[in-house]
Amino acid sequence: DTEVTQTPKHLVMGMTNKKSLKCEQHMGHRAMYWYKQKAKKPPELMFVYSYEKLSINESVPSRFSPECPNSSLLNLHLHALQPEDSALYLCASSQLDTRGQPQHFGDGTRLSIL
Amino acid sequence: AQTVTQSQPEMSVQEAETVTLSCTYDTSESDYYLFWYKQPPSRQMILVIRQEAYKQQNATENRFSVNFQKAAKSFSLKISDSQLGDAAMYFCAETSYDKVIFGPGTSLSVIP
Repeated sequence: DTEVTQTPKHLVMGMTNKKSLKCEQHMGHRAMYWYKQKAKKPPELMFVYSYEKLSINESVPSRFSPECPNSSLLNLHLHALQPEDSALYLCASSQLDTRGQPQHFGDGTRLSIL
Repeated sequence: AQTVTQSQPEMSVQEAETVTLSCTYDTSESDYYLFWYKQPPSRQMILVIRQEAYKQQNATENRFSVNFQKAAKSFSLKISDSQLGDAAMYFCAETSYDKVIFGPGTSLSVIP
C-alpha cells in the first residue's frame, strides 16, 4: 500500500500552462520532500520542508514553486516549464524526531512538457 | 562532500541464485545511516534495508543482507534465493542529517 499519495499520476502540459502536483501523507511525518527523477537515474532533491517550513531549496528554477499548507500536504506549483523538465516527480516523507529515518516515497507524477 | 558510488550499472542473476550489489561512500560525518532502496519498473521506491553506522552488526531482512565495512566505507547488498520480483533499480543511499545522498543505481535483472 502506498502511504504517500501523489496526484495526478500523469500530467501533460504545454510550456505556457500552470498546473500543480499534490502529495499527501497521514503518517505524522514532519519532513516532506520533492524529487525529480529521470529514467534510470537516481532521484535529484529539489525541496525539503521541515515542520512545514522550507529548509532546503537545491537551487531549483523559480518556475517550480513549492507549498506546504499543513503537516500532511505538499504541493508543487508549475509554471512556464521547459521540455527538459519532463520527468518523474517524486514526493517523500520521513520522521524528524529520530535521526536516520528512511524516506517513504509516493508513486510519483509522470510529467510531460509539450 | 558526501558521495555514494555504485560501480555496477547493470547486473543479472539466475532465479534462486545469490547476487551481491556493491556500494562505496565517502562522508566526513561520524554519525550517519546507510540504506538500500529498490525501485521496480514504473513502481514505487521502497526501503530494502537500513544500517546505522555505529552498529557493527550487519543488518538483515529476510533474503536481504548487507556487508558493512566501515573502515573501507563499503556497504554491499546480498540478495539470496533471487526471485523474479527482485528485478528493479537498486539505489544505495547515505544520510547524516536531512539530506539523502543517492548512488547512481544498479539495474538488476533476474533470469528465469
